[in-house]
Amino acid sequence: AQKITQTQPGMFVQEKEAVTLDCTYDTSDPSYGLFWYKQPSSGEMIFLIYQGSYDQQNATEGRYSLNFQKARKSANLVISASQLGDSAMYFCAMSFGGSQGNLIFGKGTKLSVKP
Amino acid sequence: SAVISQKPSRDICQRGTSLTIQCQVDSQVTMMFWYRQQPGQSLTLIATANQGSEATYESGFVIDKFPISRPNLTFSTLTVSNMSPEDSSIYLCSPGQGSYNSPLHFGNGTRLTVT
Repeated sequence: AQKITQTQPGMFVQEKEAVTLDCTYDTSDPSYGLFWYKQPSSGEMIFLIYQGSYDQQNATEGRYSLNFQKARKSANLVISASQLGDSAMYFCAMSFGGSQGNLIFGKGTKLSVKP
Repeated sequence: SAVISQKPSRDICQRGTSLTIQCQVDSQVTMMFWYRQQPGQSLTLIATANQGSEATYESGFVIDKFPISRPNLTFSTLTVSNMSPEDSSIYLCSPGQGSYNSPLHFGNGTRLTVT
């Protein structure tokens, strides 16, 4: 069965520093996608970054990068130069080839950026 | 990405009543996913709605409690029936094309409180 694990319930980071949010996954399907979402206190789910299982290079989107280690089944999100507006819940999610495209979500990590 | 309009954005309802949530997308999509996010929790898939067929419900969710309509490829509704305080959650819709490597984008959600 597919599973996403986020082991950090909460994280603190100083403004302008980088932070890594951990995510591990489990699937036997060779085709899968890994996603990160941001959920501010207002509640909307904002897509940040995607990594496909066949992608050779780590995905990057602006200040976000995904540290994809396939053998370890990890897909950590790295946020560089943290800003106060980065304070939010962050969810790691996975979709897989045998699905209809729906996502399985981890429990999330609450990131707090300190000034 | 598609523009997703979800209504209402929030509601306070009395137990025993029903609420219908609407999700409108500005382009045709194959599937509509409905998710629930209970307070302090992650997102859980309720059901997948395809046009012209009955929705497919995940374990723990039943059609009598969460009836879904999908009259066309741009619109869907989710009804939360005979509500109890345990139904207090954020409900989110997400259009999908049935591909594991496409990110899902979400409506702004419906924040439901049942008293």
